[in-house]
Amino acid sequence: SQQGEEDPQALSIQEGENATMNCSYKTSINNLQWYRQNSGRGLVHLILIRSNEREKHSGRLRVTLDTSKKSSSLLITASRAADTASYFCATDIGYNFNKFYFGSGTKLNVKP
Amino acid sequence: DGGITQSPKYLFRKEGQNVTLSCEQNLNHDAMYWYRQDPGQGLRLIYYSQIVNDFQKGDIAEGYSVSREKKESFPLTVTSAQKNPTAFYLCASSIELGLGYGYTFGSGTRLTVV
Repeated sequence: SQQGEEDPQALSIQEGENATMNCSYKTSINNLQWYRQNSGRGLVHLILIRSNEREKHSGRLRVTLDTSKKSSSLLITASRAADTASYFCATDIGYNFNKFYFGSGTKLNVKP
Repeated sequence: DGGITQSPKYLFRKEGQNVTLSCEQNLNHDAMYWYRQDPGQGLRLIYYSQIVNDFQKGDIAEGYSVSREKKESFPLTVTSAQKNPTAFYLCASSIELGLGYGYTFGSGTRLTVV
């Protein structure tokens, strides 16, 4: 399987609730990124977190990285209907900067 | 505004035909990438280029070809050798190769075999 995989595959919540998505990977990494994709569109970069960082914030987004567990989580607080999209993590491989993978994504549905 | 432009948005290919997807960026990025996305799935890397006149195969390069004659342009040709070309194709660029910087994506080309 690929280096980075998201969990859950699908998530449905009510507007105002928090949404948490997880990304697990197999080998050590240098960088991990999260992206959002609205249906039928290109991906939009959300956050980059480097292997020596543990947490980053951007507006209502919080990303954590636990290198001991080889996992990252994306938290969207106070979700809105406009957050409905698929969310992907992208990881490289620690020993090879030229190898990078996108997971299959978490499909988030925020109900108004 | 800087960004990546992919064209056309929709493309139809007949059996045995080669088609070329356009990707142009005005971000002055060195690295460019082509990804394929199938329904409900993640992105798979087709080709990438670190600098002009250099490109490397990704994980699923068979049946595809690229060129990088200008920094701004990275066209993808889907050849007749690609047996299952129906997919959503995404072009991306970054300041340099790898994941040290965020990628900027185009809005995609949806290719359908008729």
